[in-house]
Amino acid sequence: QKEVEQDPGPLSVPEGAIVSLNCTYSNSAFQYFMWYRQYSRKGPELLMYTYSSGNKEDGRFTAQVDKSSKYISLFIRDSQPSDSATYLCAMWVGNMLTFGGGTRLMVKP
Amino acid sequence: DTAVSQTPKYLVTQMGNDKSIKCEQNLGHDTMYWYKQDSKKFLKIMFSYNNKELIINETVPNRFSPKSPDKAHLNLHINSLELGDSAVYFCASSSRGREVDGKYFGPGTRLTVT
Repeated sequence: QKEVEQDPGPLSVPEGAIVSLNCTYSNSAFQYFMWYRQYSRKGPELLMYTYSSGNKEDGRFTAQVDKSSKYISLFIRDSQPSDSATYLCAMWVGNMLTFGGGTRLMVKP
Repeated sequence: DTAVSQTPKYLVTQMGNDKSIKCEQNLGHDTMYWYKQDSKKFLKIMFSYNNKELIINETVPNRFSPKSPDKAHLNLHINSLELGDSAVYFCASSSRGREVDGKYFGPGTRLTVT
């Protein structure tokens, strides 16, 4: 079993929909929880990170962490075709960053 | 532009050959990494260098040898290439102790071994 699990998708939604992307993890030592976005044929780029349980909002994006359930989510409001990408969750402890396998999102106009 | 750059972007080669990938960052970071992303999109760390010193060396065949001539450069040399080495290799950089600010990834080198 991998330390970080993520449904690979693809997840296809119409423009304007609310998108929910999720990861589960097994290592309770993880301290920081991040979401990266990777466009096709590009490197991943950091979207946002959270430290504690709860919600963190940045524009149309909300990251949610539930440490008791070892579950994190990324919500995208009013999704746009430009949001079409692979979203990777990542978790950090010590000097190691562990990535999930990514969920491919397609937002259709 | 400030960024992490890699060369080449695409690399097609035959089994048994030796090849190198180069990486440079001008973000002033002191830590650089090599990641391998397989066909299922899993990103796995291979190596990490801090100020030219190797600090992470995951279980990687010794055919892979990283070299950091200075803290702005990290190269990856691969000997005796095998079919299973086909993947996208990403270079990344960050500031040590500030990894939560994000690792900055290069555009990737798509390696195809035939």
